Amino acid sequence: AAGVIQSPRHLIKEKRETATLKCYPIPRHDTVYWYQQGPGQDPQFLISFYEKMQSDKGSIPDRFSAQQFSDYHSELNMSSLELGDSALYFCASSSTSTEVYGYTFGSGTRLTVV
Amino acid sequence: GEDVEQSLFLSVREGDSSVINCTYTDSSSTYLYWYKQEPGAGLQLLTYIFSNMDMKQDQRLTVLLNKKDKHLSLRIADTQTGDSAIYFCAESPLYSSASKIIFGSGTRLSIRP
Repeated sequence: AAGVIQSPRHLIKEKRETATLKCYPIPRHDTVYWYQQGPGQDPQFLISFYEKMQSDKGSIPDRFSAQQFSDYHSELNMSSLELGDSALYFCASSSTSTEVYGYTFGSGTRLTVV
Repeated sequence: GEDVEQSLFLSVREGDSSVINCTYTDSSSTYLYWYKQEPGAGLQLLTYIFSNMDMKQDQRLTVLLNKKDKHLSLRIADTQTGDSAIYFCAESPLYSSASKIIFGSGTRLSIRP
């Protein structure tokens, strides 16, 4: 079965650079969520989109922005990167129209800022 | 996560049962989840329970919910080395469009031979 696809799997950037993370949800899933997991930390909710509109916002820095496109894929744009942005970034998707509960997570993008 | 608490570590002998506990504070939590994360991997949904249930069993996994005490537990029977992972308890208030999930800090389960 198709899963949530995230790209790239690994990314190394320098301080003050920009990064773009991509997420392709499971087909027919209408909601996408972004989470940030620092080393040894629990996943922290960043932002979510439902039907291409932002639906909830968590602890996302102003330097980050995200959007969901017409094909439901989502991109997380991160600018002026800081060392503390090094983390595993997960995307998850869900559907409000099926009986499947809980999110399906992608394998994550590991971002290292040097 | 500030609204969901778990103990950080649990060590059990192979073949024994593991019990991972979690407490949550949001009384409006409708869905409670257990996720498993193996080293360097993503989050895998193991099981979930609705707040109007008090028990759910799925093969080796048993979830118990005490809604009055806001306490959730995951029991893994006949624990195997492949069960070594971090287990996250999580809750969401409502399964509506884009309800975010709040995670606990995770319990690292290690298996002794």
